[in-house]
Amino acid sequence: NAGVTQTPKFQVLKTGQSMTLQCAQDMNHEYMSWYRQDPGMGLRLIHYSVGAGITDQGEVPNGYNVSRLNKREFSLRLESAAPSQTSVYFCASSYLAGEVDEQYFGPGTRLTVT
Amino acid sequence: GQNIDQPTEMTATEGAIVQINCTYQTSGFNGLFWYQQHAGEAPTFLSYNVLDGLEEKGRFSSFLSRSKGYSYLLLKELQMKDSASYLCAVLDSNYQLIWGAGTKLIIKP
Repeated sequence: NAGVTQTPKFQVLKTGQSMTLQCAQDMNHEYMSWYRQDPGMGLRLIHYSVGAGITDQGEVPNGYNVSRLNKREFSLRLESAAPSQTSVYFCASSYLAGEVDEQYFGPGTRLTVT
Repeated sequence: GQNIDQPTEMTATEGAIVQINCTYQTSGFNGLFWYQQHAGEAPTFLSYNVLDGLEEKGRFSSFLSRSKGYSYLLLKELQMKDSASYLCAVLDSNYQLIWGAGTKLIIKP
């Protein structure tokens, strides 16, 4: 089992560029989510999904779109990157819907927007 | 507003015991999690408390007092590999996780 995988591991973008962060899990989990982690702050939920085709906004959704085409994969898209989106992005999944269960995190994507 | 407070940084000696505190003020409570995060890596699950009291798991124990809005993580027989950040997170009334900023634990030989 690979667990939760994310690509890319590192990315540098110029302001206004777009990109998609990919996430996949092989644990047959229903719930998947995207977080950002900034220095001195707790993890903040961007978007989450309770199943294929079902997504919802978290605490900081502005500037991000997500797509859950199937149970395994959950992608995060930045349409027009801004320096404020410089952060470390984690994808997570759990067996139970919602966050009542242990979250399994991917290795993270370190994004810098210049 | 919702708030989770943890000390920013703590230092302890190899072989000793350290207690990392977490206080919370949230809209509702459906459980409290502790995660460990080594530098440059992903968080990994340590413990979950929903009832008052102490949960022991090997060298790590977690305590919860819901009436005081307080939890602590106790690490015994510290090893160098325990150097990491420890994240406290509370599940609120909407079953959303509210995360603390984490406590960076430095272990000295």
